[in-house]
This record gives sequence, structure tokens and C-alpha cells, in this order.
Amino acid sequence: DSGVTQTPKHLITATGQRVTLRCSPRSGDLSVYWYQQSLDQGLQFLIQYYNGEERAKGNILERFSAQQFPDLHSELNLSSLELGDSALYFCASSVRQLAGGYNEQFFGPGTRLTVL
Amino acid sequence: GNSVTQMEGPVTLSEEAFLTINCTYTATGYPSLFWYVQYPGEGLQLLLKATKADDKGSNKGFEATYRKETTSFHLEKGSVQVSDSAVYFCALSGDGGATNKLIFGTGTLLAVQP
Repeated sequence: DSGVTQTPKHLITATGQRVTLRCSPRSGDLSVYWYQQSLDQGLQFLIQYYNGEERAKGNILERFSAQQFPDLHSELNLSSLELGDSALYFCASSVRQLAGGYNEQFFGPGTRLTVL
Repeated sequence: GNSVTQMEGPVTLSEEAFLTINCTYTATGYPSLFWYVQYPGEGLQLLLKATKADDKGSNKGFEATYRKETTSFHLEKGSVQVSDSAVYFCALSGDGGATNKLIFGTGTLLAVQP
């Protein structure tokens, strides 16, 4: 158990809908990362938050957004869903950003999103 | 940009065989290197890490050495078990930017047969 929790575990919805995925980081971790794992794109970084502020964006679509709340949990919002958004969405957390690039991230179990 | 290339799978081995999964990277600066493992139906777990050249990461019998001269971080294990069957991801972080996002390879499926 990594200490990172994600809800829900599975989500089935229809095209055009909007969903919210939730992540609670490990106790004390300030950084939250979101990744998407799909068959065609592999594992891709979407977005990072650090202590409530957006730190970096990766290959995140404009239809997707995220935020990190004062209690440090994070939510990933996916709207106007398309079939191609079906994927496993992982959240990861780390203590802080350390100088020199060393960063051990702990991953949650993921949310499997199926868009029908 | 930074990238990671790892060998295509699946890799099928018999129990107690020697394992090598190749990983090479392209990066500016001095990234940290990782191997993550994903067991069926589960999230990713950090297997081992190395933060500078010539570092050797090791865990649960797995090893990988950070080779700057060949830009490689190959994963090895001397004797695999059925329980090692999983998908293995090579990754790097520390691209010198404002984030420590992880950049992953495509993953290599390992199947160990009894």
C-alpha cells in the first residue's frame, strides 16, 4: 500500500459527459501528479500541483482540468468525454521538489475510466 | 526532449532464468532513473532508483546501474520467479525544468513460467 488513495476505482460513463476523479496523497506529501495510461499512448504525464498551485502541465487536453485543495487532495476533471479518453488514470505524490531532480513518486491504484 | 526507450515485450522466461530488460534514455542534464513495476490490476510500485552516474539501484534481487557513457539503465535479475511476472517501466525525472515529472518508457511485459 503506497498510502495514496484514489476514488472511484472504476467509472463507466457516456460520451459527452463530465467526471471527477479524486486523489488523496500520502500524509505530508505536497506534490501531486496525474498520469494517464492508455494502450496507444502509454503512460503520460498530465499535470502537477505543488501545495495548491499548478506547477507543470504535460499532454493534458483543454477539456481536462485539475486542482489541489487546501487539505492537499486533488481532483482531475474530465469533460466532454470521448471514446479515446478511456484509460487508467493514476495519481502520484511526493514530499516536495528536491533540487537536483531526484523525486520518488508514490502511485495510487488508479481509476479506470470507460467511455461508452 | 527527454525520452526513454525500452525493449519490446513480452519477455517469456522459465523460473530461475536470468533476466535483462534493456533501457536507454535521452536527456539533457543529469536525470534520476527509475524502474517501476506494475502487477496485474494494480498501480505502479517503485522497484529501484539511481540518482547519479555509476549508481547501482537494487531491490528484491533486481539491479540496475546508471551508465552515463552509454545512457543506459538496464534491469537485471539473476533468477526470476513466477511472482515476478508483471509489467516493468523504465523512467527518468529531473529534466531541469520546474517539474519532476516522470517520463516513462513503453513498458515491458515479463511472463515467468514454472
